[in-house]
Amino acid sequence: NAGVTQTPKFQVLKTGQSMTLQCAQDMNHNSMYWYRQDPGMGLRLIYYSASEGTTDKGEVPNGYNVSRLNKREFSLRLESAAPSQTSVYFCASGWTGGFTGELFFGEGSRLTVL
Amino acid sequence: SQQGEEDPQALSIQEGENATMNCSYKTSINNLQWYRQNSGRGLVHLILIRSNEREKHSGRLRVTLDTSKKSSSLLITASRAADTASYFCATGVMTTDSWGKLQFGAGTQVVVTP
Repeated sequence: NAGVTQTPKFQVLKTGQSMTLQCAQDMNHNSMYWYRQDPGMGLRLIYYSASEGTTDKGEVPNGYNVSRLNKREFSLRLESAAPSQTSVYFCASGWTGGFTGELFFGEGSRLTVL
Repeated sequence: SQQGEEDPQALSIQEGENATMNCSYKTSINNLQWYRQNSGRGLVHLILIRSNEREKHSGRLRVTLDTSKKSSSLLITASRAADTASYFCATGVMTTDSWGKLQFGAGTQVVVTP
């Protein structure tokens, strides 16, 4: 029962470097999400994928790209990291639409950009 | 801007006491959800209450929803040290693209001391 698995758990980047956060779920969920969590800000939606083959922007998409590789996997890419992207990133998945049901979260990926 | 805002920001209680936290929101919602986050971990769904419901129970949790006041409360009865965590409300809102979104507040940090 892995649920939602994110890799890596920790990463330190220099400004301008690129990296990809990986996410996989084994619950056969249709929808997948990427959030970032910053102190005092709650979680903010970066991108989501309603189903395999579709992706859409969320609240804070600038500086990020995503790929829904298949039904299980949804990756988040930072092409040119900036210090403002220092955050904890969470991947989530769910059975239904964007607001109608519960979300299942991964353990988070802690990213520091120097 | 955050849709849901929790109050208080922090709460410290002793084991056996009840913990109450509130969530206020600004626009009409489809549902309201509460999540728990232990330190350094991902969010875990606790309970979902729909806009046409007024109260819901799950174990030691009691959630109320007052749509006229645009507010919800989460009550944890007979708290335990293991309830120490941050608690987030999330409002499910329909959007023009019909997908909708789940908007998270900044959370209430609860510390339960033995």
